[in-house]
Amino acid sequence: SAVISQKPSRDICQRGTSLTIQCQVDSQVTMMFWYRQQPGQSLTLIATANQGSEATYESGFVIDKFPISRPNLTFSTLTVSNMSPEDSSIYLCSVGAQGEETQYFGPGTRLLVL
Amino acid sequence: AQKVTQAQTEISVVEKEDVTLDCVYETRDTTYYLFWYKQPPSGELVFLIRRNSFDEQNEISGRYSWNFQKSTSSFNFTITASQVVDSAVYFCALSEGWGTYKYIFGTGTRLKVLA
Repeated sequence: SAVISQKPSRDICQRGTSLTIQCQVDSQVTMMFWYRQQPGQSLTLIATANQGSEATYESGFVIDKFPISRPNLTFSTLTVSNMSPEDSSIYLCSVGAQGEETQYFGPGTRLLVL
Repeated sequence: AQKVTQAQTEISVVEKEDVTLDCVYETRDTTYYLFWYKQPPSGELVFLIRRNSFDEQNEISGRYSWNFQKSTSSFNFTITASQVVDSAVYFCALSEGWGTYKYIFGTGTRLKVLA
């Protein structure tokens, strides 16, 4: 399976600021996703990161709040904009190779907003 | 609509005990995939197993085994002779169709294995 890294691994931010999280994969992958896991909760899909085009957002998530870039098949960023304490979560990226039907997850970014 | 239910919020066992984590799913599709992931305290999600809807064979991998029963829409996970390193949150997930990669996760079961 692919090796996935995320930066930063954790951060503490002030409300009203923005944080960009990077996801790097060691091989080209077709599918990349971003998830949010609020404290003690399950994972919720934020969006599918599409290479060379706008991300596809799930219900309840909007581009203004969570802009996503995917300039190539190995890299994506998620920005959490205008943060509030409610954005405190673990943010995970995942990748899926075509035909495998399996997602592999990065180590996650733990975000605390004060 | 698709749904995954993990009714056990938290389970505590003593080391070397066997433990079964339950997963019940709902789907209208005939083609789907089921998954188990482990999330240790470090936070990373570790892939454990994938099973497609046409393969009801049980699977064993070391101390781990999985029982898939379409008749009861269940995909249960058993750890034999549990160890402290098995302490984690375990998630069951469902993906409908082929190539969708759209996962629905259960709420997770926190397993605590006590020495």
